[in-house]
Amino acid sequence: DAGVTQSPTHLIKTRGQQVTLRCSPKSGHDTVSWYQQALGQGPQFIFQYYEEEERQRGNFPDRFSGHQFPNYSSELNVNALLLGDSALYLCASSLVGTKKETQYFGPGTRLLVL
Amino acid sequence: QQQVKQSPQSLIVQKGGISIINCAYENTAFDYFPWYQQFPGKGPALLIAIRPDVSEKKEGRFTISFNKSAKQFSLHIMDSQPGDSATYFCAASKGLTGGGNKLTFGTGTQLKVEL
Repeated sequence: DAGVTQSPTHLIKTRGQQVTLRCSPKSGHDTVSWYQQALGQGPQFIFQYYEEEERQRGNFPDRFSGHQFPNYSSELNVNALLLGDSALYLCASSLVGTKKETQYFGPGTRLLVL
Repeated sequence: QQQVKQSPQSLIVQKGGISIINCAYENTAFDYFPWYQQFPGKGPALLIAIRPDVSEKKEGRFTISFNKSAKQFSLHIMDSQPGDSATYFCAASKGLTGGGNKLTFGTGTQLKVEL
């Protein structure tokens, strides 16, 4: 049973560039959430996708956008990168239909903006 | 506005001792309270979770104590082992229709278990 997978593992970008991060949910899950974890901090919720639509959104600017595909995988896009966007980006999957709250996290993508 | 406050920031415990981490929340609409364990370079892994209709939940060496009136909950790790050395996060969420709702995390506690 494959867990949550994310790619790439590490990424280096420069200010102003755009980045796309990818996530495949745990087998059988239909919902993907994205979190940003700055160094030494707890994860901060960015948004969640269910049925290919944004279901919930945290307090992040429009530079952060996402997409969910019919196979439930998801992408996180960040435009006009800022130095402060450097963080570990975590993807978590869950199953909405059963009303179970458990979210399973992937290993994350470490983004460094120079 | 930080809705979940966690303490202590760091904790050193002797092997075999009890590790205690505390969290307090503000939003009374929260109805799910999980604890996550994170090792360096890894994503958070769910340890144990509780809903506010019970005051305590135990799974192996891990126990959550929940005080609804005080809006506080804590994680107790019994017989702490060096392998428990990690960062621990409390979190909270409130339910929409269905599950897997937005988690609000605490700032984390770095636990070190010494021999």
